[in-house]
Amino acid sequence: EIVMTQSPATLSVSPGDRATLSCRASHSVSSKSAWYQQKPGQAPRLLIYDASTRATGIPARFSGSGSGTEFTLTISSLQSEDFAVYYCHQYNDWPRTFGQGTKVEIK
Amino acid sequence: QVQLQESGPGLVKPSQTLSLTCTVSGGSISSGSYYWSWIRQPAGKGLEWIGRIFASGSTNYNPSLKSRVTMSVDTSKNQFSLKLSSVTAADTAIYYCARYSNSAPIDYWGQGTLVTVSS
Repeated sequence: EIVMTQSPATLSVSPGDRATLSCRASHSVSSKSAWYQQKPGQAPRLLIYDASTRATGIPARFSGSGSGTEFTLTISSLQSEDFAVYYCHQYNDWPRTFGQGTKVEIK
Repeated sequence: QVQLQESGPGLVKPSQTLSLTCTVSGGSISSGSYYWSWIRQPAGKGLEWIGRIFASGSTNYNPSLKSRVTMSVDTSKNQFSLKLSSVTAADTAIYYCARYSNSAPIDYWGQGTLVTVSS
């Protein structure tokens, strides 16, 4: 099973600041990685797929990069609605796996 | 717009079998090359893939749960189901059903249903 390791576990950021979230895969997943946002009481929401493609309706302040084993989600200017938990996900291999999550909280 | 809705008991006793159904609306479960999956999330924790089923009935299960999991599909009702046997408190979680295409991430999720394992 491919293990996805996210860092940091918690990120304290002020509104308007930039946030950078990292994800490392235990084996190469090529570009088959995605990022999800989850708010309390809600299902995850797809933000980025194929490492760097924004999903439909996702604002341009969200961007993804990386390939192989290293991936990054950047939120260029945090808005109040962006404070949530973010999960990276690989869909290159079965079973599909998720990282343990990064909580983005208000500083 | 495809919608998925989980249903089933919210409380299951230890050692019994957890049974959930996902009803798909806004599209046929048989159309397209989609996989239908179950994913769970213990309170305050991350997401764990349980398994997937194709409309033909072919399945793949997470090796960590394989001995206890059975998934099935009922195309006439546009539903697919999960059975997890011999449950313990560690199986207490929010259970999500979801849809995705091959080589693509999940695009549709159910709202999730909380299942508690307790006597």
